[in-house]
Amino acid sequence: GAGVSQSPSNKVTEKGKDVELRCDPISGHTALYWYRQSLGQGLEFLIYFQGNSAPDKSGLPSDRFSAERTGGSVSTLTIQRTQQEDSAVYLCASSLDKREYNEQFFGPGTRLTVL
Amino acid sequence: AQSVTQPDIHITVSEGASLELRCNYSYGATPYLFWYVQSPGQGLQLLLKYFSGDTLVQGIKGFEAEFKRSQSSFNLRKPSVHWSDAAEYFCAVVVFSGGYNKLIFGAGTRLAVHP
Repeated sequence: GAGVSQSPSNKVTEKGKDVELRCDPISGHTALYWYRQSLGQGLEFLIYFQGNSAPDKSGLPSDRFSAERTGGSVSTLTIQRTQQEDSAVYLCASSLDKREYNEQFFGPGTRLTVL
Repeated sequence: AQSVTQPDIHITVSEGASLELRCNYSYGATPYLFWYVQSPGQGLQLLLKYFSGDTLVQGIKGFEAEFKRSQSSFNLRKPSVHWSDAAEYFCAVVVFSGGYNKLIFGAGTRLAVHP
């Protein structure tokens, strides 16, 4: 079956512009996660959704970052007024539910470059 | 605080040689541990996981890992490396807090395989 998909695969933007990154989780997976992979910080957790709700947004790096999930499926990560330090690969993952033994399946990521 | 340490940033082995990638974790409760592999331009693929029971776990692609509570370690091993194993390997622990779980990753070990 289809895995987690993300779009775009690559995004180049100018400093100060807004970007939207999309994640389509595996059908039926209620838990969805965003991670960021950057040279300086490694792989870091950003936000988690159970259904359409995000109980904890403290992992988001700044208030320029926001995320939403609609219909318990697609999620969008939005970065406003992008900065060069936002350049990274943004990974989305989904799992059947929030239980810790459920495997998180990762998408291929969106590589964001801020010029 | 919960953390994962992968002491080796980069390892080079010859094809056919054995491999051991080190992982140490810091977590107060019983850890749920994972090893993921990331090939260039790809997302993360789960190699194996440990939740409980037998401390030696078998994974895909001929990999295994051994959980040692006394050493807080979860080292990944393969008896004979293939050129296709060249990739980056991440050890991770699940942290369950605030009603949801998230993965805390190590910094990764990049494996190069010489013919």
